[in-house]
Amino acid sequence: RKEVEQDPGPFNVPEGATVAFNCTYSNSASQSFFWYRQDCRKEPKLLMSVYSSGNEDGRFTAQLNRASQYISLLIRDSKLSDSATYLCVVILTTDSWGKLQFGAGTQVVVTP
Amino acid sequence: DGGITQSPKYLFRKEGQNVTLSCEQNLNHDAMYWYRQDPGQGLRLIYYSQIVNDFQKGDIAEGYSVSREKKESFPLTVTSAQKNPTAFYLCASTPGPGGTPDTYEQYFGPGTRLTVT
Repeated sequence: RKEVEQDPGPFNVPEGATVAFNCTYSNSASQSFFWYRQDCRKEPKLLMSVYSSGNEDGRFTAQLNRASQYISLLIRDSKLSDSATYLCVVILTTDSWGKLQFGAGTQVVVTP
Repeated sequence: DGGITQSPKYLFRKEGQNVTLSCEQNLNHDAMYWYRQDPGQGLRLIYYSQIVNDFQKGDIAEGYSVSREKKESFPLTVTSAQKNPTAFYLCASTPGPGGTPDTYEQYFGPGTRLTVT
């Protein structure tokens, strides 16, 4: 079983609609969580950190469910520019450096 | 502007040749990482370095070598022993050890797309 799993998609979303997807992690000792965005043939870029209480950044909302060991990302009022692959990153803090685990990504395609 | 540079963007090599990918950062970050990404897969850690003159193997180090002679530079050599070297290679850095989430944020370079035929 992979340590971090994501539905690869693609999630085809009409412009203006809402899309949400999850990322599950296997190690209950995981401490920090992030969502990265990766455009085709480009490097990943940090979208947002995921805090225990959940957090929102404009049209993006991230949630953490420790009991069920998953994080989620919700995108409201989707824009064409939101089309990308969204990578989940989970950090296991065994020492001060931490060990990062990347999911394979969820592809989102926003259509006109 | 601070950031990470990788060169070249595209690299073509014949099978059996070693090739070195460049990674330079001017962010004054302690830690640097090399990842490999294949289509439809997540990033896999090749090597990482937390301090100058020290580096550790990641999950898929076989067929690769690195050096960390300067804080700013972390070159990766793909040797002829690497069975499937064609991939997208990403270099990243983080500020350093710490207990807050922001110290774990990975800053990525633009990547090098290596094709070996």
